[in-house]
Amino acid sequence: GESVGLHLPTLSVQEGDNSIINCAYSNSASDYFIWYKQESGKGPQFIIDIRSNMDKRQGQRVTVLLNKTVKHLSLQIAATQPGDSAVYFCAEKKSNFGNEKLTFGTGTRLTIIP
Amino acid sequence: TAGITQAPTSQILAAGRSMTLRCTQDMRHNAMYWYRQDLGLGLRLIHYSNTAGTTGKGEVPDGYSVSRANTDDFPLTLASAVPSQTSVYFCASSDQSNTGELFFGEGSRLTVL
Repeated sequence: GESVGLHLPTLSVQEGDNSIINCAYSNSASDYFIWYKQESGKGPQFIIDIRSNMDKRQGQRVTVLLNKTVKHLSLQIAATQPGDSAVYFCAEKKSNFGNEKLTFGTGTRLTIIP
Repeated sequence: TAGITQAPTSQILAAGRSMTLRCTQDMRHNAMYWYRQDLGLGLRLIHYSNTAGTTGKGEVPDGYSVSRANTDDFPLTLASAVPSQTSVYFCASSDQSNTGELFFGEGSRLTVL
C-alpha cells in the first residue's frame, strides 16, 4: 500500500548550521509533494511544495529536493534559527486528486541547539 | 484574520458520552477536513467536505460523524466516545480541493476515560 516515511525521527542541529530532513515515499503515482511544519502546541503549517516535473524548488531559507528515481524527498533549511525547532511532515498525492487523498508521513522532530 | 478556530481547546470525556468538536473558518474556503494526530501515526483523515452540503469519509471515519450546513462551519461529533478516540484533533481548510495547501486550526485535545 501507500506509505510516506521518514528516515530519521529526530534531528538536532546547531543554530546557524544547515539542516536536511529526509522523506521516502513508495507510491510512484504520486506527483505532488508538500512539506509542513508543526510547532509545539500548534497546528501544521504549509512550508513549500513541489511537483514531479521539478527536482528542486527554493523558498525563503528552505529548499525542497525531489529524486523520483529513488522516491526521495528532502527539505533543506539554511542558517537554522531557534524558531525552526518543530516537527516537519512530508505529504504526497497525485496532483489531480483532491486533498482528501493527501497522505502524511509520521514526522521528524528538528531541534535547534543554541 | 482568525483563520481556523477550534473549540474546545481540550476536553476530558467519560467513555460512552457524546461530544462535538467545533470548527469555524473565516476564509470562505470551499474544502474542510478533520484529522486526528497520534504519536507515531502522523495525521490521519477522519472526514472531509469539498463544498458546503457534501461530506466524505477519510481513512478513519468509524465512530465519527460530520455535517457541513454552510461554508464556515464543520463540526465533528463523537456519538459514543471510546478510549481509543483519545487524540489531538485538527480541523483544516483549503480554498481549492486539490492544492495540497491546507490551513490548520490549533487543535483540540480530547481524552476519553
